[in-house]
Amino acid sequence: KAGVTQTPRYLIKTRGQQVTLSCSPISGHRSVSWYQQTPGQGLQFLFEYFSETQRNKGNFPGRFSGRQFSNSRSEMNVSTLELGDSALYLCASSFGGANEKLLFGSGTQLSVL
Amino acid sequence: QQQVKQSPQSLIVQKGGISIINCAYENTAFDYFPWYQQFPGKGPALLIAIRPDVSEKKEGRFTISFNKSAKQFSLHIMDSQPGDSATYFCAASKGNAGNMLTFGGGTRLMVKP
Repeated sequence: KAGVTQTPRYLIKTRGQQVTLSCSPISGHRSVSWYQQTPGQGLQFLFEYFSETQRNKGNFPGRFSGRQFSNSRSEMNVSTLELGDSALYLCASSFGGANEKLLFGSGTQLSVL
Repeated sequence: QQQVKQSPQSLIVQKGGISIINCAYENTAFDYFPWYQQFPGKGPALLIAIRPDVSEKKEGRFTISFNKSAKQFSLHIMDSQPGDSATYFCAASKGNAGNMLTFGGGTRLMVKP
């Protein structure tokens, strides 16, 4: 069974650009969550999508957005990149019930120069 | 606002010893407390989880102890092995909040041979 797949694995952008990250959940999983991991702030919740609808949202500015497609694949977008957006962005999937086991991908390492 | 505080930040244990990591939470609405293990270059992986109606849960060498009145929970790794060397995160979530996890700051564990 394939795991959660995130692409690309590494990304380098410059300030002011925008970026789109992709996540393919495990087959059958309908919930996709996104987390930002940095050395200073640790792991922080960005948002969760379930059946193409945003179900939860963390405390991030509107520059961070996401969407989910009918096949449960998800993308997150960050516009007007700032240096502080450099982080490992992790995607996790589950069947969609509350407090379920989340399965994480290996993440996309974003560097903003 | 750091709702889940984790200590210590780093821990060195001899092979065969017991590793103990502690977490404290503030939000009494939390009702699910998982522990995740993360190796370099990988996403976090669920180790073990507990709900507040249970004071202890054991899975193999890993045990969670939970103290609801003190709003604290801890992870014990018995017979620690070099392969356990990783970063460990405690987390918490509310049952009505989908899969929105609030993570502790992480503990970097090194098990010396």
